[in-house]
Amino acid sequence: EPEVTQTPSHQVTQMGQEVILRCVPISNHLYFYWYRQILGQKVEFLVSFYNNEISEKSEIFDDQFSVERPDGSNFTLKIRSTKLEDSAMYFCASGGGQGEVQPQHFGDGTRLSIL
Amino acid sequence: GEDVEQSLFLSVREGDSSVINCTYTDSSSTYLYWYKQEPGAGLQLLTYIFSNMDMKQDQRLTVLLNKKDKHLSLRIADTQTGDSAIYFCAEIPFSGGYNKLIFGAGTRLAVHP
Repeated sequence: EPEVTQTPSHQVTQMGQEVILRCVPISNHLYFYWYRQILGQKVEFLVSFYNNEISEKSEIFDDQFSVERPDGSNFTLKIRSTKLEDSAMYFCASGGGQGEVQPQHFGDGTRLSIL
Repeated sequence: GEDVEQSLFLSVREGDSSVINCTYTDSSSTYLYWYKQEPGAGLQLLTYIFSNMDMKQDQRLTVLLNKKDKHLSLRIADTQTGDSAIYFCAEIPFSGGYNKLIFGAGTRLAVHP
């Protein structure tokens, strides 16, 4: 069964450094998402992406965050200058095939640790 | 506002049924979902229900939706130790547009012999 894949599984970065989290969504999906889960807290929506542009973003998704679909398969989340509070599990999801609503399928996540 | 509430913990004996409950606030929610998260793993889609349905059954899983009370439940029949995990209820509010999911805090299900 097709699945969403995320790399790396764990990323350790110094505060202030840039980090890029990578995702390969399911190939026929049209909508792409990033969520995060701070330890012990709810899964929170960050951003949705459709038709090569951001369709919605949350208050968390400030100017330090950006997303990109550099080619036909990858979907990346970049954090420009990481802060301690960016430490979390980041989940990529994809969904929505042509002409019908499909549920979102999630990857296994990238655990981001900021030192 | 959009909010999803779940009880945090449920303990059941192996072989019994588990019922995990969820309430949501957005009456215009279109889809409601149940995801499962095992330790160290991602969010696995279990099942979902469209808001015009009352019930959906999928093997050992039964989802019940009470739109009037904005209450969603997940029943797992014949619960096994492999069902031990965190179960997340999530909604897509109508205002979500591009299918933004709003999650509950998750219910940790512990299955004991």
